[in-house]
Amino acid sequence: GAGVSQSPSNKVTEKGKDVELRCDPISGHTALYWYRQRLGQGLEFLIYFQGNSAPDKSGLPSDRFSAERTGESVSTLTIQRTQQEDSAVYLCASSLGAGFTQPQHFGDGTRLSIL
Amino acid sequence: DAKTTQPPSMDCAEGRAANLPCNHSTISGNEYVYWYRQIHSQGPQYIIHGLKNNVTNEMASLIITEDRKSSTLILPHATLRDTAVYYCIVRVGGATNKLIFGTGTLLAVQP
Repeated sequence: GAGVSQSPSNKVTEKGKDVELRCDPISGHTALYWYRQRLGQGLEFLIYFQGNSAPDKSGLPSDRFSAERTGESVSTLTIQRTQQEDSAVYLCASSLGAGFTQPQHFGDGTRLSIL
Repeated sequence: DAKTTQPPSMDCAEGRAANLPCNHSTISGNEYVYWYRQIHSQGPQYIIHGLKNNVTNEMASLIITEDRKSSTLILPHATLRDTAVYYCIVRVGGATNKLIFGTGTLLAVQP
């Protein structure tokens, strides 16, 4: 079946511009997560949605970062006034529920490059 | 901080079993052990998870010690396509359910 889909797969933009990254989770998955992976490093948690609510936003690095989810489906991560340190792969994951026994399934990410 | 310790790299011959160790000495009684892998330029792929009993699925086996302080992921017949970074993760409880990734083990399967 269809997995987690992210778009665009690659995004190059100039410093100071705003960007929107999209995530389409697996159908029926109520939990959705955003992570960031800088070059050569591990994944950093950004935000978690259960339905359309975000119980945990603790990983968002600054107020330039925001995310929303609508219809318990698609999510958008927005970065305003991008900086070079925002360059990374942004990964989205979804799971059937939010419990311990529900694996998170990842998309292949959006590779963001800030010039 | 990650609650697990893994060797930074391992080699394995193609066709042989790959045994990847993980220490998680501070694991709590209700925390699960999860394994993911990441092949270059792809998102992490879920492999397997377990609480205290050994688990096997179509991809791998997970052996958890009786005291739950360590575990081993076993790929029974490694292929070149299994070359990846393997992450052992202790699932954090509470309201967040986030995964905390460490630095993982780079498994290189050699022909």
